[in-house]
Amino acid sequence: QSALTQPASVSGSPGQSTTIACTGTSRDVGGYNYVSWFQQHPGKAPKLMIYDVTSRPSGVSNRFSGSKSGNTASLTISGLQAEDEADYYCCSFTSSNTLVFGGGTKLTVL
Amino acid sequence: QLQLQESGPGLVKPSETLSLTCSVSGGSVSSSTSYWGWLRQPPGKGLEWVGSMHYSGSTHFNPSLKSRVTISVDTSKNQLSLKLSSVTAADTAVYYCAKSYFLQPKIDSWGQGTLVTVSS
Repeated sequence: QSALTQPASVSGSPGQSTTIACTGTSRDVGGYNYVSWFQQHPGKAPKLMIYDVTSRPSGVSNRFSGSKSGNTASLTISGLQAEDEADYYCCSFTSSNTLVFGGGTKLTVL
Repeated sequence: QLQLQESGPGLVKPSETLSLTCSVSGGSVSSSTSYWGWLRQPPGKGLEWVGSMHYSGSTHFNPSLKSRVTISVDTSKNQLSLKLSSVTAADTAVYYCAKSYFLQPKIDSWGQGTLVTVSS
């Protein structure tokens, strides 16, 4: 299975919004509403930020939102804060009953 | 609150078998809605799903690792385990155990991770 495609890096200034795209195929992202986003700070375990494309777990800031169009899912972070600087990974269920991750995106808050 | 803790050797020789255990507390591996799995992250690289298992015995693996991976759940000890055979330097990574809602990417509980280095 091929990894989902994410930009290697994105950046934004405090208070601004930024969007990270995650592109797959009709056999994964496009075929199911089972896409999650994870935030990972250096040396830490990943943290679930978005699941089922648009849902937020309890305790996750509403500055984080998810969406999907066709084979591309997106994570939008509004009102950027310094603490948002981290690596972000998308993950999708696939038609082969497996899970596949994106390569990860490093978010820099300028 | 659910807690997961990985344990096992931090150094494995090439061609040998990597074995890790994950102890679960604050919840049961016999949960009908949970899949228990392993993920890994080579140093400086991205996350990779290794495989997941339901306590009923249903297992699913990353196709690239399927021939070398065994995952099991011990309900009496509330633990899950990972065995990866014929390891090479490419298997050097931080290994995480984790819980998901069914076989979905809603992976909502993670262990802290354990670094396994493959080297002679």
